[in-house]
Parts: sequence; structure tokens; C-alpha cells
Amino acid sequence: DQQVKQNSPSLSVQEGRISILNCDYTNSMFDYFLWYKKYPAEGPTFLISISSIKDKNEDGRFTVFLNKSAKHLSLHIVPSQPGDSAVYFCAASGAGGTSYGKLTFGQGTILTVHP
Amino acid sequence: NAGVTQTPKFQVLKTGQSMTLQCAQDMNHEYMSWYRQDPGMGLRLIHYSVGAGITDQGEVPNGYNVSRSTTEDFPLRLLSAAPSQTSVYFCASSLRGGKSSYEQYFGPGTRLTVT
Repeated sequence: DQQVKQNSPSLSVQEGRISILNCDYTNSMFDYFLWYKKYPAEGPTFLISISSIKDKNEDGRFTVFLNKSAKHLSLHIVPSQPGDSAVYFCAASGAGGTSYGKLTFGQGTILTVHP
Repeated sequence: NAGVTQTPKFQVLKTGQSMTLQCAQDMNHEYMSWYRQDPGMGLRLIHYSVGAGITDQGEVPNGYNVSRSTTEDFPLRLLSAAPSQTSVYFCASSLRGGKSSYEQYFGPGTRLTVT
């Protein structure tokens, strides 16, 4: 039972345009959400996060939006650059206590940005 | 800082063999975790530790054993390798408590093939 789902295995966009990556979750106990980026033959690296008390968090070209009622989050990259080409994983965690340090990941979306 | 290091990078085992995947971090992080990445499945938590001497099971612990005798090291033992354990294994670490515990630092991974 996949509690975090990324339904698009891949996304292709033109350089300079917006990339929108989507993620859905089913567990209403999740209250912290993260996006990780992964290049081939490397480990994932943390990109941006959002707490359930917010609906938007911005960091430079990256913005994460959270819609709690729909159990949906999205990552916007504007403008997209060829160096953004990677696999993007959505991840979620429950509230505090024994949930610290435990992440549930989605399947990943391969983003390709064409020059 | 070297961050999170993993050895070996690649390993081929025969069914029934045992081995230990090494993980070390030099960031004085209390939390450490092991994940496996399989195609179409994202990353799944195997075992995690909230500090030296304390470990617990994640989502897919069967066939794996861990111990945490020091803050720096968190080895993962495969007791009797099976083809279903063919995967890429990632070790991760994070600070303890609050938002920092969610933002995990990953090692480069170990690609394991069991024949």
C-alpha cells in the first residue's frame, strides 16, 4: 500500500519553462513533507520542505505547494534549467516523537529539461 | 567533512552468503537510517537508529540486521542473501529533534546484486 504516490514516472520540459511535479498522499497523520533530488550514481539530496501548517514554501527557483484537504503537494521549478534534470522524490513524515528520522517516499519522477 | 560514506560501492553475492554494508558519518548526527531503492518503489526504510545503542525496524526489515555501537557508524548486515535483496542501498543521517530530523543527508549508495 503506497502511502505516498507520484503518478507521473517522467516529465519533459523546455529550458526556461515551468516544471510542475506532483505528489499525493493517503495518510492523514503525515504533517511534514519534503522533496529530494537525485542524480544517477549519487544519493538523494534535500531540496525543499513544507510543514502542514503552511500551504506554500519558496526557496529561489523552487516552490512547494501543499493542499491538505486534497492530500496533494506539488513542486514548481521556475525557470527550469538543464542542470535540474534528475529524479525527484516526494517524501512525508508523521508528527514528532517516534516519527522523527522516518520518511516515506514516493516512487520518483524523472525530470528532463531540454536546452 | 566527508558527510555520509558507504562501502562498498558495488557488491555481488551468491544466494545464502552473508555480508555487511558499512555506513559512517562525521557530522555528529544522532539519527541514522537504511533505505533500499527498487525500480518503481521509491526508497523504503529498512532500519533506523535514534542514537548509539538504540535501533528499530522500518517498513522492510526482514533479512537484515543492524546495530549502533557508536554515533558515527551504522552497519547493515544481510544474514543470508536472497535474490529479492538485489537493490541499491542508501544510508542516511540527520540531527535529532524538530525540523532538522526530517532533512536527511544520504550517502552515495551501495549497489548489491544477489545471484
